[in-house]
Amino acid sequence: AQSVAQPEDQVNVAEGNPLTVKCTYSVSGNPYLFWYVQYPNRGLQFLLKYITGDNLVKGSYGFEAEFNKSQTSFHLKKPSALVSDSALYFCAVRDVTGGYQKVTFGTGTKLQDIP
Amino acid sequence: DAGVIQSPRHEVTEMGQEVTLRCKPISGHDYLFWYRQTMMRGLELLIYFNNNVPIDDSGMPEDRFSAKMPNASFSTLKIQPSEPRDSAVYFCASSFLHSYEQYFGPGTRLTVT
Repeated sequence: AQSVAQPEDQVNVAEGNPLTVKCTYSVSGNPYLFWYVQYPNRGLQFLLKYITGDNLVKGSYGFEAEFNKSQTSFHLKKPSALVSDSALYFCAVRDVTGGYQKVTFGTGTKLQDIP
Repeated sequence: DAGVIQSPRHEVTEMGQEVTLRCKPISGHDYLFWYRQTMMRGLELLIYFNNNVPIDDSGMPEDRFSAKMPNASFSTLKIQPSEPRDSAVYFCASSFLHSYEQYFGPGTRLTVT
């Protein structure tokens, strides 16, 4: 079975500081990895994905993620946090055993701005 | 494009009543997903369709839940009879075969009293 783990329920960051949201994965084959963001009372929005190629993936709103095969990690990063980045962030992995498009989501990490 | 459209946005019903949630995927997308989100269980995949055909319904909680996709632009998720433990936010999402990422609707917040 495929799975992702987000070890932190919440990450606190001050505006202007760099942020990191952690994600580790477990798959039987090559991973397809994703990050989504959810603002209050909204659906999830796609941020970025890793399928193949460069380990550093750039996405929407200045976010990027680094794929690390040896550590089975796909951490989300941003050099300088904004207040508007406060939201719930989900890591996800494509489940190859479940079919072509089945994706398993992590439990989510709440990013909280510290005034 | 208007994105994925879901209706209603909020639904409050009494236990035992039938509930029907509706979804219009993004035009041209050939996959449609139904998810349920709760604080306790997080985001759960209920069922997904490919070209209007159900592919995996292993996440459907029990026989009270059913989903249909009569055509490429419309899907329903029905709960009959509804129970208080069905209270959750239900999301519909769609995707295109070669893009992998999913596009979510705004969700339907269901409250069963």
